[in-house]
Amino acid sequence: SSELTQDPAVSVALGQTVRLICQGDTLKSYYASWFQQKPGQAPVLVMYGYNNRPSGIPDRFSGSRSGDTASLTITGAQAEDEADYYCNSRDRDSGGNLVIFGGGTKLTVL
Amino acid sequence: EVQLVESGGGLVRPGGSLRLSCAGSGFAFRSYGMHWVRQAPGKGLEWVSSISSTGTYIYYADSLKGRFTISRDNAQSSLYLQVDSLRDEDTAIYYCARAQWEPSAFDVWGQGTMVTV
Repeated sequence: SSELTQDPAVSVALGQTVRLICQGDTLKSYYASWFQQKPGQAPVLVMYGYNNRPSGIPDRFSGSRSGDTASLTITGAQAEDEADYYCNSRDRDSGGNLVIFGGGTKLTVL
Repeated sequence: EVQLVESGGGLVRPGGSLRLSCAGSGFAFRSYGMHWVRQAPGKGLEWVSSISSTGTYIYYADSLKGRFTISRDNAQSSLYLQVDSLRDEDTAIYYCARAQWEPSAFDVWGQGTMVTV
């Protein structure tokens, strides 16, 4: 099956911009979705498709894709953005029938 | 309020079985594809299985095929996961999730149910 690769940990200063990366061949065929998970809580969808935010997600979150890489950008990171972030996508090797997750990025807001 | 509530987790011996349930409310459950995702303690998210809105299409993660069985009852707005031949590595929080807009865009999640093997 395909794989999605994320940086294990990233830090950003309060109010600065940070870009989280998700890389994998399957992203050449399918979009990534992004999830935010805080300790002890269920994940929350923050981005899907090319650059679509579900209702209630602040507009400081944006998404993009280029080749085999999907990105989640937080412009003006806030303390409440500190969390684990996971990308997922459909698995190209299964004809898009299966879903795979990246290993997650722990975002620290300094 | 749109909600998913899991139940059925617990402590089970290796080789044992459990049936996890997920009750949906506040939305047209029968119209959505549904998924199970698990998370081992201190680890990342792992997709487990999916079922289409009518139950016609069912898929499993390659590593889990044969031991896990997903099903749904749209009349009861419920999703199920039968987990058999449990192993230590199956210890995890099991979440059910709704897919909307895209097959991998899980927009509603339950609070999870803990399975300890």
